[in-house]
Amino acid sequence: GAVVSQHPSWVICKSGTSVKIECRSLDFQATTMFWYRQFPKQSLMLMATSNEGSKATYEQGVEKDKFLINHASLTLSTLTVTSAHPEDSSFYICSARIGTHSYQETQYFGPGTRLLVL
Amino acid sequence: AQTVTQSQPEMSVQEAETVTLSCTYDTSENNYYLFWYKQPPSRQMILVIRQEAYKQQNATENRFSVNFQKAAKSFSLKISDSQLGDTAMYFCAFMKHNNDMRFGAGTRLTVKP
Repeated sequence: GAVVSQHPSWVICKSGTSVKIECRSLDFQATTMFWYRQFPKQSLMLMATSNEGSKATYEQGVEKDKFLINHASLTLSTLTVTSAHPEDSSFYICSARIGTHSYQETQYFGPGTRLLVL
Repeated sequence: AQTVTQSQPEMSVQEAETVTLSCTYDTSENNYYLFWYKQPPSRQMILVIRQEAYKQQNATENRFSVNFQKAAKSFSLKISDSQLGDTAMYFCAFMKHNNDMRFGAGTRLTVKP
């Protein structure tokens, strides 16, 4: 159980286009999902917290108009990189929080999406 | 703000030996969770072990165990009988109840045959 999927796993796009990444919790409902960015050989950096039915909360320095997040259902959150540029090339990972009781609370991660902007 | 420190950028261990990865954290919270995640070359983050701060007993999962020292804010991971498949980046993480997760910089572990 506790499986999170991401789609696509790889995307190459031209500069100026928009890219949508989907994150799904396959066997549980997640009221809260998270989006991270990871540069090579570095740790995960939290970009935003995605709450079902409400606006996402962005970390300081993350442009909300650049990285649009929508959490339309209890199993799906999407991250859209708008007008992508080469500096947006990175590895994007989502996670879903499971459990509201202290003995359950954990985050499970999707397999990540590699974005390359040419 | 919570910070997580992993002071060992790289470590290596011989197959079948034991290795300990260090992690310290800083928080004023009392109710929180600590995690170790493994990230192999595929880059999929895999949960290795989890500890609730209110529990005094150290968590164990097969060959993986932790040494949780709450007063010292220390949370080390011990891997026994290391296997080649344990080669990966290991991230220590802190999470307040009902909140987001903060990661350390990671430790790259290499298991040598």
